[in-house]
Amino acid sequence: NAGVTQTPKFQVLKTGQSMTLQCAQDMNHNSMYWYRQDPGMGLRLIYYSASEGTTDKGEVPNGYNVSRLNKREFSLRLESAAPSQTSVYFCASSEWTGINSPLHFGNGTRLTVT
Amino acid sequence: AQRVTQPEKLLSVFKGAPVELKCNYSYSGSPELFWYVQYSRQRLQLLLRHISRESIKGFTADLNKGETSFHLKKPFAQEEDSAMYYCALRPYSGNTPLVFGKGTRLSVIA
Repeated sequence: NAGVTQTPKFQVLKTGQSMTLQCAQDMNHNSMYWYRQDPGMGLRLIYYSASEGTTDKGEVPNGYNVSRLNKREFSLRLESAAPSQTSVYFCASSEWTGINSPLHFGNGTRLTVT
Repeated sequence: AQRVTQPEKLLSVFKGAPVELKCNYSYSGSPELFWYVQYSRQRLQLLLRHISRESIKGFTADLNKGETSFHLKKPFAQEEDSAMYYCALRPYSGNTPLVFGKGTRLSVIA
């Protein structure tokens, strides 16, 4: 039982390049999330998927797209990377988005955009 | 909209001293509150939640609706408690994701 797995762990991009961050969970959770973590800003929600087939914007969605490929997988895409997107990205999952359903996090992806 | 405030970016205490990490929230309804912790080189993990009324690793947190606070406390800090701590809130009504505070880095000095 690996929990939440993110790939890659590290990535360096040049401005304007695109990439997709992958996330998979093996806990049969319905809900999945993408957060970014920046110094002094804490964790901010980018997008989430309450259930398979649905996605919703979070606090900071601009510059990102997501795909809930199936119940297990939720990917985050940067179409044209910008230096402001340099951050640590965390994927998380939970049984559902309601009460008594804590988040389980992946190990994070450290992205640098030059 | 709900908001979580952690007023201290950094908190340094000596080993064996009491520690209190502050968390205040703004939300008009009934919230569900959590503390998450991130140790060095590890993933974020749930520390405790108010609904469980539990003590984990010696930490406790009580929801004070009058003061809209959910402070995290431990009577005697240990070096291994050094980490980043995040307070998070979710409204009881509706299906909405967690909202996190900006985090407090706890440094326990030997």
